[in-house]
Amino acid sequence: AIQLTQSPSSLSASVGDRVTITCRASQGIDSALSWYQQKPGKAPKLLIFDASNLETGVPSRFSGSGSGTDFTLTISSLQPEDFATYHCQQFDTYITFGQGTRLEIK
Amino acid sequence: EVQLLESGGGLVQPGGSLRLSCKASAFSFSTYSMSWVRQAPGKGLEWVSSLTGSGGTTYYADSVRGRFTISRDNSNNTLFLQMNSLRAEDTAMYYCAKVSGTWPDDHDSWGQGTLVTVSS
Repeated sequence: AIQLTQSPSSLSASVGDRVTITCRASQGIDSALSWYQQKPGKAPKLLIFDASNLETGVPSRFSGSGSGTDFTLTISSLQPEDFATYHCQQFDTYITFGQGTRLEIK
Repeated sequence: EVQLLESGGGLVQPGGSLRLSCKASAFSFSTYSMSWVRQAPGKGLEWVSSLTGSGGTTYYADSVRGRFTISRDNSNNTLFLQMNSLRAEDTAMYYCAKVSGTWPDDHDSWGQGTLVTVSS
């Protein structure tokens, strides 16, 4: 089974900061990767599909990049509503999620 | 707006059974593959099972294969998850989610979840 490893597992940042979260796959998955945002007590929300495509309605400060085994989610300028947990998911072979990255306010 | 509403969660003893339902609305339900994804308390997301729009092909995570059965009723826009031989490690919030395209793919809509607790 394909494993996804996110780093860091948690990070603290301030409003206005630029933040990057990494997701590494245990084998190549082309661009079959998506990113989700999840706030406490809520369901996940799709942010990025096919590694770099912004879901409709998602602010342009979110961006995704990568292919093969290494992927990144970048938030260009953190807003208060962005403090949440972020998950990557691969869909190259079945479905796997990363362990999540918790983004906290510094 | 797509809506997914789960129900059927609750407290069950180890070895027991539970059937989850997910009522869908505002999209052509039979056209889309659907999934169940769970999240244990304080943990990450774990894919559980998916099935195609027709219900003809099903997929399971190794952790639930042989114990859980996914199905759907396209006439009533409802997805099901029959869970048997439940274990403590099945305790989680269970979400139903709509698959964006041809499975496997990402999930573009999610329900609010239903909580399953397996404990004596």
